[in-house]
Amino acid sequence: DTGVSQDPRHKITKRGQNVTFRCDPISEHNRLYWYRQTLGQGPEFLTYFQNEAQLEKSRLLSDRFSAERPKGSFSTLEIQRTEQGDSAMYLCASRYWTSGESSYNEQFFGPGTRLTVL
Amino acid sequence: RKEVEQDPGPFNVPEGATVAFNCTYSNSASQSFFWYRQDCRKEPKLLMSVYSSGNEDGRFTAQLNRASQYISLLIRDSKLSDSATYLCVVNSPGGSYIPTFGRGTSLIVHP
Repeated sequence: DTGVSQDPRHKITKRGQNVTFRCDPISEHNRLYWYRQTLGQGPEFLTYFQNEAQLEKSRLLSDRFSAERPKGSFSTLEIQRTEQGDSAMYLCASRYWTSGESSYNEQFFGPGTRLTVL
Repeated sequence: RKEVEQDPGPFNVPEGATVAFNCTYSNSASQSFFWYRQDCRKEPKLLMSVYSSGNEDGRFTAQLNRASQYISLLIRDSKLSDSATYLCVVNSPGGSYIPTFGRGTSLIVHP
């Protein structure tokens, strides 16, 4: 399977614990995005990487959240001291980007990690 | 005002009906536009891009109206399998192309 993969698919944790999610993008894709989606809402942008550089972070990404893409391939999203409000689906997406017409290059999403904070 | 707004629905239509969704965006400098489909508890998948000239793919037609800052999706001859949430996506201006999603419009096609 050469699509975007995410691990784990489901995570249940207690409030105050730290969690880490992993995303493996499509191999030739240089941009990787993290989103959060809650019930009845569309995905909300959290952050994105171009290769290993984290180029933009949403104000939704509090200091409890950190993301890395150390070698420009897979990425991790860590949430420290989880809160019940962090319960959501965390989606990863990747795309190939170059300047010019690539604004229409498709984003491919992974299946998501569903986080439940008790 | 939200950057991208959609009527959440649900739109309940019988098989064979024609249904249309609109999506409005607030940033006039937005550069690229898409419709994604999301099935229940699944990831979003690209349905179609929306070009300035409009585009059609089988039963689906997408149009862009830059003057009024909205995009539309028309589905003809609805099938049961079209039941899903349709997400409007607008890329921000500038080189970052950060996608902003609407909250989605729910479509239920019934026999």
